[in-house]
Amino acid sequence: DIQMTQSPSSLSASVGDRVTITCRASQSVSNYLNWYQQIPGKPPTLLIYAASSLQSGVPSRFSGGGSGTEFTLTISSLQPEDFATYYCQQSHSTPVTFGGGTKVEIK
Amino acid sequence: QVTLKESGPVVVKPTETLTLTCSVSGFSLSNARMGVTWLRQPPGKALEWLAHIFSRDEETYTPSLKRRLTISRDTSKGQVVLMLTNVDPGDTATYYCARVYSSSSYIRFDHWGQGARVTVSS
Repeated sequence: DIQMTQSPSSLSASVGDRVTITCRASQSVSNYLNWYQQIPGKPPTLLIYAASSLQSGVPSRFSGGGSGTEFTLTISSLQPEDFATYYCQQSHSTPVTFGGGTKVEIK
Repeated sequence: QVTLKESGPVVVKPTETLTLTCSVSGFSLSNARMGVTWLRQPPGKALEWLAHIFSRDEETYTPSLKRRLTISRDTSKGQVVLMLTNVDPGDTATYYCARVYSSSSYIRFDHWGQGARVTVSS
């Protein structure tokens, strides 16, 4: 199985901050990498697919980058509704695997 | 509007079989670009992918649970069913179904149900 490791596991930030989350794969996944946001008590929602493509309806302050084994999710200016947990997920190989999540909290 | 909704028991006893149904609307289960996947999330933990099924009845399972899982679909009813046999307390989780959108070999889970919370307890 491909292991996905996210860092940091949690962070504190203020509204307006630029935030970057990193996801590393145990082997190359090319750009078969998606990002999801999960607000507590709610299901995840898709933010980014194919490493850098913005899902329809997602604000442009979210962006994704990287390929191979290292990926980033960046929020250019954190908004109050962005405080949530973020997960990366690879779909290069079966089984599909997720990172452990990064919880973004209010400073 | 695409919607998915999970239904099933809230509590299941150890060794029993858990059966969950995902009812979909707004898209067809016979669409070649689309499938349905099941995932779960134990309390306070990360997401775990379980299985998915596509229009060609192509089924894929996570290897660690393959012997206990069965996924099937009823296209006419717009339903996908997941069965997990011989459950134990480690299977306690919120179970989600989601639509799989496939494009040029890339897949993504673009619409999710609200989740079904399942507790395994005697």
